[in-house]
Amino acid sequence: DIQMTQSPSSLSASVGDRVTISCRASQSINNYLNWYQQKPGKAPKLLIYGASSLQRGVPSRFSGSGSGTDFTLTISSLQPEDSATYYCQQSYSVPLTFGGGTKAEIK
Amino acid sequence: EVQLVESGGDLVQPGGSLRLSCAASGFTFTSYWMHWVRQAPGKGLVWVARINNDGTRISYADSVKGRFTISRDNAKNTLYLQMNSLRAEDTAVYYCARDWSPAIDQWGQGTLVTVSS
Repeated sequence: DIQMTQSPSSLSASVGDRVTISCRASQSINNYLNWYQQKPGKAPKLLIYGASSLQRGVPSRFSGSGSGTDFTLTISSLQPEDSATYYCQQSYSVPLTFGGGTKAEIK
Repeated sequence: EVQLVESGGDLVQPGGSLRLSCAASGFTFTSYWMHWVRQAPGKGLVWVARINNDGTRISYADSVKGRFTISRDNAKNTLYLQMNSLRAEDTAVYYCARDWSPAIDQWGQGTLVTVSS
């Protein structure tokens, strides 16, 4: 199974800050990497697919990069509504696997 | 509007069985592969199973293989998860989700399964 490791596990930043979340795969997954946002009590929401493609309707302050084993989710200017947990997920092979999550808080 | 509505979650004793359903609407159900993903209380997301359009290609997580069965009724636009030999560690919110390769693009609201005596 492909292991997905996210860092940090939590972060606290101010409105307007640039935030980056890292995700590392235990083997190359090409660009089969997706990012989701989940707010408490809600279902996950797709933000980025194929490592860098922005899902329709997602604000452009979200961006993704990387390929192979190392990936990054960037929020260019953190907003209050971005307080959530973010998960990476590989879709290169089954079993599909998720990272452990990064909880983002607003200072 | 795409809708995925799960039902069937309940409190069940260890060793018991439960069947979850997911009613799909707002899209052509037969065109999409589907998934079940679960989330234990306060924990992260864990993929459970996947089924292709016509139900002929199925994959499971090792943790549920041999105990859970994913299936679909395309005439009823409904996805199922039959869960047998339930364990305490199966306690979670179970999400039905739509595959939009390479990602999962639509999720239901989830249904809670609690395994406890």
